Parts: sequence; C-alpha cells; structure tokens
Amino acid sequence: GAGVSQSPSNKVTEKGKDVELRCDPISGHTALYWYRQSLGQGLEFLIYFQGNSAPDKSGLPSDRFSAERTGGSVSTLTIQRTQQEDSAVYLCASSLEGGIGEKLFFGSGTQLSVL
Amino acid sequence: AQSVTQLDSQVPVFEEAPVELRCNYSSSVSVYLFWYVQYPNQGLQLLLKYLSGSTLVESINGFEAEFNKSQTSFHLRKPSVHISDTAEYFCAVNKGGSEKLVFGKGTKLTVNP
Repeated sequence: GAGVSQSPSNKVTEKGKDVELRCDPISGHTALYWYRQSLGQGLEFLIYFQGNSAPDKSGLPSDRFSAERTGGSVSTLTIQRTQQEDSAVYLCASSLEGGIGEKLFFGSGTQLSVL
Repeated sequence: AQSVTQLDSQVPVFEEAPVELRCNYSSSVSVYLFWYVQYPNQGLQLLLKYLSGSTLVESINGFEAEFNKSQTSFHLRKPSVHISDTAEYFCAVNKGGSEKLVFGKGTKLTVNP
C-alpha cells in the first residue's frame, strides 16, 4: 500500500479480554516500530522489529504485551487480559532499513478503549 | 538514560505572530534530533531533522530548528505562523547507536485568527 495501514482504527473491549492490533507497513520497509500514545504522555516506545526479529522490546510494559512479525511484513501487537490503563492510541511506524536517523512513516493508529 | 523535555504542553498564538516551541534533551553521547508534527485527524509526519553538519535545519513550510549542543536544545521556530500550522508537535531523539526514537510529550500549537 501507499502508507502504513493499521486495523482496526477503533477497538472497544471489556477489561480482562484479549485484543490483537494489526499493522501493515509500507512495502519493502524492513524496520517496524510500535508506540503507544496516551493523553498527556506523548509517544511511548514499545518494540522495534528488524525483519522478523525484535532486537529491542524494552518498551513492552508487562508480560501481557507481546508482538510478532511474520514474513518481514505484517505485525500483530497482542494485549492479554486488558486493563483500563491499557487504553491509548497504539501507533505503528515503519522505515526503509531502520538506520539511525531514518525517517519513520506512521500509521493513523488504533484507538483502544478498555471499559 | 535519555529523555526529551518539551517545556510547553500548549502554545496559543495569533496568526502571523512568531512562535518558538522548546525542546531539551539529556544525553551524554551524540544524538540525532527530530521534530514530528501531527495535524488534526492525521498521522505523525516528519517535519525536520538534525543528523550532522549545519546546526540550523529547515523544513519546506518555513519552520526551522537549531541544534545547540551546549544547551542541549533543539527549539523549533517560525517567524510567522498560519492557521494551517495548528497541530501537535513532537520533539524526538535517537541516541547514537540506538534505533529507538524517544519522543517528548508534545506541544499543541493553536494558531488563532
């Protein structure tokens, strides 16, 4: 596609349920990032993929969060047993090679609301 | 640990007025600095970046930022803003050797007529 695509755009779930968020990066981009944007908190780094491997997953807030990437393309962020504090906009970004200083292309995000 | 501080969460200005959005970072090693912008109902996009060379960098829509190593700052400026500049602006830093981009909390710029 022309840009980074994320689905769903909005997700409302009940506390304790699992959710899966999907990211389709720009074709050919080897690097993929997940960020979380909360009100007043800016963007919080979650995880970085280079190809299918995740050399930096230091930002995942707890073991309820996991992410995978298959075929060097689509990535899925899974949140198990969701809590109200997980409510946020989850942003995905990709870049061509993941090099230092490279421009990141962001998707429009998934607005997650945990009731 | 590195961090990015954006001192103002909201900046209201009148159209055609100058504006400065402040950004300070903390790092003891070389850094690469960025400003990203998020227009209403749009995704984040790169506005400008400093990697090396001239400490003054410019964007295509009239914004500029100056890397000041002694003050560890990368403030964003525009001499005359437009209504269309209304957006949230995020400062970000790559610490040398890390692919991770660390963002500040953002500054909401509102340009009023």
